[in-house]
Amino acid sequence: GEDVEQSLFLSVREGDSSVINCTYTDSSSTYLYWYKQEPGAGLQLLTYIFSNMDMKQDQRLTVLLNKKDKHLSLRIADTQTGDSAIYFCAESMNTGFQKLVFGTGTRLLVSP
Amino acid sequence: DTEVTQTPKHLVMGMTNKKSLKCEQHMGHRAMYWYKQKAKKPPELMFVYSYEKLSINESVPSRFSPECPNSSLLNLHLHALQPEDSALYLCASSQEDSNNEQFFGPGTRLTVL
Repeated sequence: GEDVEQSLFLSVREGDSSVINCTYTDSSSTYLYWYKQEPGAGLQLLTYIFSNMDMKQDQRLTVLLNKKDKHLSLRIADTQTGDSAIYFCAESMNTGFQKLVFGTGTRLLVSP
Repeated sequence: DTEVTQTPKHLVMGMTNKKSLKCEQHMGHRAMYWYKQKAKKPPELMFVYSYEKLSINESVPSRFSPECPNSSLLNLHLHALQPEDSALYLCASSQEDSNNEQFFGPGTRLTVL
């Protein structure tokens, strides 16, 4: 099947902004999500966006959605070392039951 | 209580063993999920239970047997596993509504020898 694609790795300095990109596959996805996974841990939901929105802001997080290009991005302002983790985007497949398909994951490394 | 708990945290088993993974939530969620996550890969859905009934089985081999004894508990029974089944097994739960905001447990790290 098709993969939900993300770039593998992003390295930034503390205080900079980080932008993590995602290209998803199903244009009928209702919701798109961003999850964070720290080493050896489960997934933490950071934010989500409904498919009829272009942008959503939540404190340091800004989600942009381009439905035409099936492109989703997550911007983290004032990135901190505690933001170092793997970030997964996920789309909810329109299968009659909500099913999440996760992206390939982006490892974010924040250096002091 | 807004968390999903999983036990054990780590499990090592031989190919002839029978073991079970457990998951519990007390958020009143009526949908519960098992995911498998291999190293450096995204989670992959295995099973979904909705109102204690199996809704989705993503063609998982029968050596994995899920069970939902009640609305708060989800088990995954393991038998005759293979070394390639070694992975992080994640449980999640959600409300039964259109925004499928899934809450994940910390996972069980399984090693099959």
